[in-house]
Amino acid sequence: LAKTTQPISMDSYEGQEVNITCSHNNIATNDYITWYQQFPSQGPRFIIQGYKTKVTNEVASLFIPADRKSSTLSLPRVSLSDTAVYYCLVGWGRGGGNKLTFGTGTQLKVEL
Amino acid sequence: DVKVTQSSRYLVKRTGEKVFLECVQDMDHENMFWYRQDPGLGLRLIYFSYDVKMKEKGDIPEGYSVSREKKERFSLILESASTNQTSMYLCASSQTRDIDEQYFGPGTRLTVT
Repeated sequence: LAKTTQPISMDSYEGQEVNITCSHNNIATNDYITWYQQFPSQGPRFIIQGYKTKVTNEVASLFIPADRKSSTLSLPRVSLSDTAVYYCLVGWGRGGGNKLTFGTGTQLKVEL
Repeated sequence: DVKVTQSSRYLVKRTGEKVFLECVQDMDHENMFWYRQDPGLGLRLIYFSYDVKMKEKGDIPEGYSVSREKKERFSLILESASTNQTSMYLCASSQTRDIDEQYFGPGTRLTVT
């Protein structure tokens, strides 16, 4: 069962780039890495997903090194509205089998 | 837009009561999940289902059961509620059995007294 480790909290200022790293040392060959964002009193919301190297979408980038034992979510030019908890999810390899594992989340606080 | 709805936002029950939490999704998704969320522990998977009448245990199934009689509905059952089951319960669904984006409901805050 892949387990993940993330920093408990991070602070940043508006306009800065934020990088949140997740460790998943025992990731399985067919596991994917997914990041979610959660605001208070809401369910988590999908941000980005990847298997290896780099993935970029309109809101974030995901960097995964060759050994896949960690991943980094990069948020460019954060704003106050990016203040939220960010979860790293590893598991659910294609074809099923592995169970889902959420990290404990990183509370990102963005200030002016 | 995918919509996942949960029957209640807030629920207060007494110890020993049987509790039903209902979740409905409107996008014909195959997979449905139940999580609980507690401070400092993140989201923990209780049960999931990849088809009607199919279920698999997650990380913390003890004290819970589930039912999926129809594709769109996934119920979480607390047979005899206890105070340590006071928590935020989140339901989610995803399209296929392969890894897919999960869509979460708003959550049910359950308090057992």
